[in-house]
Amino acid sequence: GDSVTQKQGQVTLSEDDFLFINCTYSTTTYPTLFWYVQYPGQGPQLLLKVTTANNKGISRGFEATYDKGTTSFHLQKASVQESDSAVYFCALVVYGGSGNKLIFGTGTLLSVKP
Amino acid sequence: EAAVTQSPRNKVTVTGGNVTLSCRQTNSHNYMYWYRQDTGHGLRLIHYSYGAGNLQIGDVPDGYKATRTTQEDFFLLLELASPSQTSLYFCASSDANKNTGQLYFGEGSKLTVL
Repeated sequence: GDSVTQKQGQVTLSEDDFLFINCTYSTTTYPTLFWYVQYPGQGPQLLLKVTTANNKGISRGFEATYDKGTTSFHLQKASVQESDSAVYFCALVVYGGSGNKLIFGTGTLLSVKP
Repeated sequence: EAAVTQSPRNKVTVTGGNVTLSCRQTNSHNYMYWYRQDTGHGLRLIHYSYGAGNLQIGDVPDGYKATRTTQEDFFLLLELASPSQTSLYFCASSDANKNTGQLYFGEGSKLTVL
């Protein structure tokens, strides 16, 4: 069935370090993939979207690239800041006769030390 | 900006208790969702709806009922609460007409079942 997998449960970096978070997916349809970010005490919010049409999404200094060959899409940022500390979720849209739904990975907690 | 409001924000009940979580969205979105968030599991879909009177079963529906009374209001019902339902619950909405797959989340309702 449709699924997304995040293996990195927690990542700890220092300011100005490079960030890389990987996510793999499985689907029988053309994938529409998202990265969501959740700051402490808040609900998740959209960070960026990647489709087979654009293969790449960019927002707020973050970039995500989709790789059909490895069925993965990873999130990266060249230089993280303490304010980037949050939980990051990858997500996949599942289109079906019962309506559309979004399934999420288990999340990666990013802690950035000043 | 989509507005999704959840109530109550915090709730403590006992095993076997009856709990209703409420969600209202004010942007005329047709889709509404209930998710639960647990460490190690990420966000898991309980129920969703694509309009008033409609209900679709999500991925973890056992022990939960839901009802969509109007375009704006979506309720999650726990009629015999159990400790395993202690969790952080999020409501979300989306506009299927735009077909972007973007969800707008509320701030969450923390439920503790003793």
